[in-house]
Amino acid sequence: DAGVIQSPRHEVTEMGQEVTLRCKPISGHDYLFWYRQTMMRGLELLIYFNNNVPIDDSGMPEDRFSAKMPNASFSTLKIQPSEPRDSAVYFCASGQSNTEAFFGQGTRLTVV
Amino acid sequence: GQQLNQSPQSMFIQEGEDVSMNCTSSSIFNTWLWYKQDPGEGPVLLIALYKAGELTSNGRLTAQFGITRKDSFLNISASIPSDVGIYFCAGQGSGTGNNRKLIWGLGTSLAVNP
Repeated sequence: DAGVIQSPRHEVTEMGQEVTLRCKPISGHDYLFWYRQTMMRGLELLIYFNNNVPIDDSGMPEDRFSAKMPNASFSTLKIQPSEPRDSAVYFCASGQSNTEAFFGQGTRLTVV
Repeated sequence: GQQLNQSPQSMFIQEGEDVSMNCTSSSIFNTWLWYKQDPGEGPVLLIALYKAGELTSNGRLTAQFGITRKDSFLNISASIPSDVGIYFCAGQGSGTGNNRKLIWGLGTSLAVNP
């Protein structure tokens, strides 16, 4: 199994631009999680889905952030417009109801 | 958001030494997890604990779910250079239905001197 696949691995963008992060979960997993990691705040859960339905989005920082899961094999996290304080590593993770989450390698986002 | 108190924040040890780190919470958890993160990678699950008092081993790693359900520790015996990385604890609380939300510690950074 290829594991959770995230793209891009690195993204550098200018303030105000739209950023889209992509995730392909492990096949057969029915949970998908988006996390943000910074030195100051550690790992923060932004949102998670079960069977493609958003269950808890209370961690999404503000309206500039949105996440979608149009099907079981794909999810996106979009930031529009991006700001320098959004710079962080964004992780996608997937799991099944009886297993713990498996993480992707992350997308390192830098907003200048 | 809510976080766990994880300590120590960092450790620098000699190869062969044992290591101990712990996490505490003001809330009760039903599940405690320990993850390791290597540079440039996502966290990888090391040990999962599901019952108060449970003691579980994975090779040189041993973790325990505190009897109060508010703490957990991870021990690494006879450390080796590849143990270097950041170790995270995470707790999952009670709650009904579809709750898969984890609360995370800020990590323990481990450096091993060969």
